[in-house]
Amino acid sequence: EAGVVQSPRYKIIEKKQPVAFWCNPISGHNTLYWYRQNLGQGPELLIRYENEEAVDDSQLPKDRFSAERLKGVDSTLKIQPAELGDSAVYLCASSGRGSFNSGANVLTFGAGSRLTVL
Amino acid sequence: GENVEQHPSTLSVQEGDSAVIKCTYSDSASNYFPWYKQELGKRPQLIIDIRSNVGEKKDQRIAVTLNKTAKHFSLHITETQPEDSAVYFCAATNNAGNMLTFGGGTRLMVKP
Repeated sequence: EAGVVQSPRYKIIEKKQPVAFWCNPISGHNTLYWYRQNLGQGPELLIRYENEEAVDDSQLPKDRFSAERLKGVDSTLKIQPAELGDSAVYLCASSGRGSFNSGANVLTFGAGSRLTVL
Repeated sequence: GENVEQHPSTLSVQEGDSAVIKCTYSDSASNYFPWYKQELGKRPQLIIDIRSNVGEKKDQRIAVTLNKTAKHFSLHITETQPEDSAVYFCAATNNAGNMLTFGGGTRLMVKP
């Protein structure tokens, strides 16, 4: 099993430029998450998808961030235009069907995409 | 929403000693509490988790304890080794059990 796959691993751009990150979740995982991790901090949720539907995007800065998961499998996260404060690691994660509270469902992270905005 | 506090932010121990990291959470409906280990430049990886029907769970040198009344849970690492050096994150679910909120992390340094 490939796990959660993300690309690119690293991206350096100048401010005001656009950037996009791609994620392919674990096969069969219907729930996909994008988290942002600032240096020295814990992951913070940006958006959660159940299949192709964004069910929680309250923390996504919608003026410059957008995301899509058109076929309910892989997903892209876009920032346009990027700002200096967007420098962070963008982590994608996925989980199977059902609640974390019961059963064996767990959250699995990808390796992340490290963004540096100059 | 859920709020998770984690202490300490940094912890330095001598190889062979024990390490304890503590977390508190705010939502009394939370039922699932995982711990993730993140080595430098790598992804957070699940190392142990506990669901609220048990108070303690062990896996070799690591254990997690849960006190639902006090709304806190802890990670215990015994006989620490240099390869345990990493950042550890605790997390707790929301009421619906479909989201995780993470603590701020603890940087553990094990000195040989």
